[in-house]
Amino acid sequence: DTGVSQDPRHKITKRGQNVTFRCDPISEHNRLYWYRQTLGQGPEFLTYFQNEAQLEKSRLLSDRFSAERPKGSFSTLEIQRTEQGDSAMYLCASSLKGGPRNYEQYFGPGTRLTVT
Amino acid sequence: KNQVEQSPQSLIILEGKNCTLQCNYTVSPFSNLRWYKQDTGRGPVSLTIMTFSENTKSNGRYTATLDADTKQSSLHITASQLSDSASYICVVSDQGGKLIFGQGTELSVKP
Repeated sequence: DTGVSQDPRHKITKRGQNVTFRCDPISEHNRLYWYRQTLGQGPEFLTYFQNEAQLEKSRLLSDRFSAERPKGSFSTLEIQRTEQGDSAMYLCASSLKGGPRNYEQYFGPGTRLTVT
Repeated sequence: KNQVEQSPQSLIILEGKNCTLQCNYTVSPFSNLRWYKQDTGRGPVSLTIMTFSENTKSNGRYTATLDADTKQSSLHITASQLSDSASYICVVSDQGGKLIFGQGTELSVKP
């Protein structure tokens, strides 16, 4: 397994358009996280899944944002009616609950979104 | 409120020199503290992870310290290289696995 992958790596869209990002976690990891990172800041938590269940959502996740993990494997993050303030790096991470590396999160390369 | 604060915000050093980055946190209940390196345009990569009982951990030229009493950590980089130029993020995990991120220290190593 080569780690967490995200697609696309870069996305440029016009304001008002919808975008969808995909994250493929490390195969045996049961937890999957989404973060948003703006320039010069650390990542901010958006939401996480344990298997297919979405267990927590940040207040940053407005009703324009939706995330799914239908089969407990890959996840998608959709942003509807994008705004310029949505421009950021969207990071995905995965972790395994239990074991010697309990909860250690491994990050993907991120998707850089630019809303024009 | 759970917070992680890092200093300095940015740092410029000459290649071959050492440097130390600082992290203060107010996270409870504490589980562990991690330092991540994030290259521009990439996801963070873990450098070290320390639990409550550990007060120092090394990974090559990187040495992290943790003082759980004062809730402070530091990351020391020895004999810096140009490839060390990156953002270094201090991250504290609570016992439920939630990560609280610092804003990062932007390190620039100049030849």
